[in-house]
Amino acid sequence: NAGVTQTPKFQVLKTGQSMTLQCAQDMNHNSMYWYRQDPGMGLRLIYYSASEGTTDKGEVPNGYNVSRLNKREFSLRLESAAPSQTSVYFCASRAGGGAGELFFGEGSRLTVL
Amino acid sequence: GIQVEQSPPDLILQEGANSTLRCNFSDSVNNLQWFHQNPWGQLINLFYIPSGTKQNGRLSATTVATERYSLLYISSSQTTDSGVYFCAAASTSGTYKYIFGTGTRLKVLA
Repeated sequence: NAGVTQTPKFQVLKTGQSMTLQCAQDMNHNSMYWYRQDPGMGLRLIYYSASEGTTDKGEVPNGYNVSRLNKREFSLRLESAAPSQTSVYFCASRAGGGAGELFFGEGSRLTVL
Repeated sequence: GIQVEQSPPDLILQEGANSTLRCNFSDSVNNLQWFHQNPWGQLINLFYIPSGTKQNGRLSATTVATERYSLLYISSSQTTDSGVYFCAAASTSGTYKYIFGTGTRLKVLA
């Protein structure tokens, strides 16, 4: 099984450009998450989706939108990228029901010039 | 929301030494997990441990939920243990909001 797959792995944007990070999981998990990790820092929760059809804000949602397309896929969109959004973005999934381990993808490194 | 704090922030060990990493959390939890982020940036699941004690080889973890802390023990450390160790927790009142601590950066010297 692939687990959690993120695309693209690397992306360079100019300020003001838009882009979408894609995440897909093949573990039949209900909950999915997007985090960002700045250099030398911990992971901060951007948005999460407890189940298909629901999304909620995390710690740092400003400047981002999300879509839970179906049970497998959860995308993160930057409408107008800013240099402050330069970071490594991680997607994760969990079986759900209020308990269970998080499983992470390998990350997407985004640079905004 | 829940606050998660880790200590120490940095740790340098000689190969073969033992260490204890601590994670304090501000609220009752029903989810707690330890991760290792390797030098390539991958997040490796170590333990899912909302309560009790678990062991996996040289690593073990204990969570005392009533006192709101968790400990990760590394025995006979190896250079491959180097990296950053994170704990993450979700409270009973915010079950889906999994919040990370700021991590402990471990360097094991040969």
